[in-house]
Amino acid sequence: SQTIHQWPATLVQPVGSPLSLECTVEGTSNPNLYWYRQAAGRGLQLLFYSVGIGQISSEVPQNLSASRPQDRQFILSSKKLLLSDSGFYLCAWSVQGGNYYGYTFGSGTRLTVV
Amino acid sequence: RKEVEQDPGPFNVPEGATVAFNCTYSNSASQSFFWYRQDCRKEPKLLMSVYSSGNEDGRFTAQLNRASQYISLLIRDSKLSDSATYLCVVNGDSSYKLIFGSGTRLLVRP
Repeated sequence: SQTIHQWPATLVQPVGSPLSLECTVEGTSNPNLYWYRQAAGRGLQLLFYSVGIGQISSEVPQNLSASRPQDRQFILSSKKLLLSDSGFYLCAWSVQGGNYYGYTFGSGTRLTVV
Repeated sequence: RKEVEQDPGPFNVPEGATVAFNCTYSNSASQSFFWYRQDCRKEPKLLMSVYSSGNEDGRFTAQLNRASQYISLLIRDSKLSDSATYLCVVNGDSSYKLIFGSGTRLLVRP
């Protein structure tokens, strides 16, 4: 069966520090991968999605970036965190054509920038 | 206009009640529809897909009205464990994207 792993679960980082969040998927090949952010009490905002290795689409211009160095690995990064980057970061995967089957989310990383 | 709109609630209902949520979407070309459930401080989990003819899964019934561009979720015989936020989800204008509503919060009281 397919599983998605995301870590760390919680993170407290000072303003201006770098960020690296990692997500890996097991049990499937060539998944679509997604990064979402959910601010406190708000909806999910799509940040990046990837349909293959090295293919990244950005939805929202900001100081975050994403990379997909391997088929089942998706990384979210920042060189310098802002207070507004605080939130609940969720990685998700879907099969190709995932629009028809929905997404499966990882357990998320709760980031607090102080 | 938001792509997916939901009443944020909260809907506060007693155990055993029937409760319904609606959601409207703006893209008339949307083809995929889902309801997700999100517990407090947890990731969203797929509750059910929504099919054109309507579909039922136990106590949950989902309906789609394409003409009016809205989706509904009906929960019968509410349980305390149904307390959560329910997210309406619709595919976006590209083949890879799902757009999530902000959610409707349900509180089921004893």
